[in-house]
Amino acid sequence: DAGITQSPRHKVTETGTPVTLRCHQTENHRYMYWYRQDPGHGLRLIHYSYGVKDTDKGEVSDGYSVSRSKTEDFLLTLESATSSQTSVYFCAHSGGPGETQYFGPGTRLLVL
Amino acid sequence: ILNVEQSPQSLHVQEGDSTNFTCSFPSSNFYALHWYRWETAKSPEALFVMTLNGDEKKKGRISATLNTKEGYSYLYIKGSQPEDSATYLCAPSSGTYKYIFGTGTRLKVLA
Repeated sequence: DAGITQSPRHKVTETGTPVTLRCHQTENHRYMYWYRQDPGHGLRLIHYSYGVKDTDKGEVSDGYSVSRSKTEDFLLTLESATSSQTSVYFCAHSGGPGETQYFGPGTRLLVL
Repeated sequence: ILNVEQSPQSLHVQEGDSTNFTCSFPSSNFYALHWYRWETAKSPEALFVMTLNGDEKKKGRISATLNTKEGYSYLYIKGSQPEDSATYLCAPSSGTYKYIFGTGTRLKVLA
């Protein structure tokens, strides 16, 4: 058990609707990450957080925003979902810069 | 750290065969190298983290080596079993809050 959960695990939504994915960790780790998994690209970093209210962009951040109001929760929001955002989203946490990341079970998102 | 390359992209071996994969990365600003094992429909799980040039790590039949001067790491699996079938990811870190994952080597072990 990596001490991390994601919700929902599956979601189907329509183009143009906002979507929020939640990540919750119980390890009191400072660092949290959102990735998306796409064929041929592996895991790509969307946003990451290095503390409460401290976030920064990853390599594929366009169309996504994040918030972190508590150490244990990291929210990913798709402001207006598009079909290109259909993917599997993974959240992760780590104890420090460059340390091992522990992944959640993933959220499968389908945007119609 | 950019330009992480893993080879081969995919690999089929027979049960009992030994195999190895390569992770290549820029040697500048190196802090640590992580290997993860990622089974289909699951999430990545950490295998090893290595920091020093010449490091070797072992976990059961799986081992890894690290060369930070030339920027590569090898992952070895001895006597592959069907349960070793997975994608193996490497991720070098420069010690910042994030690191870049390679696209992985997909291993299929045939019974």
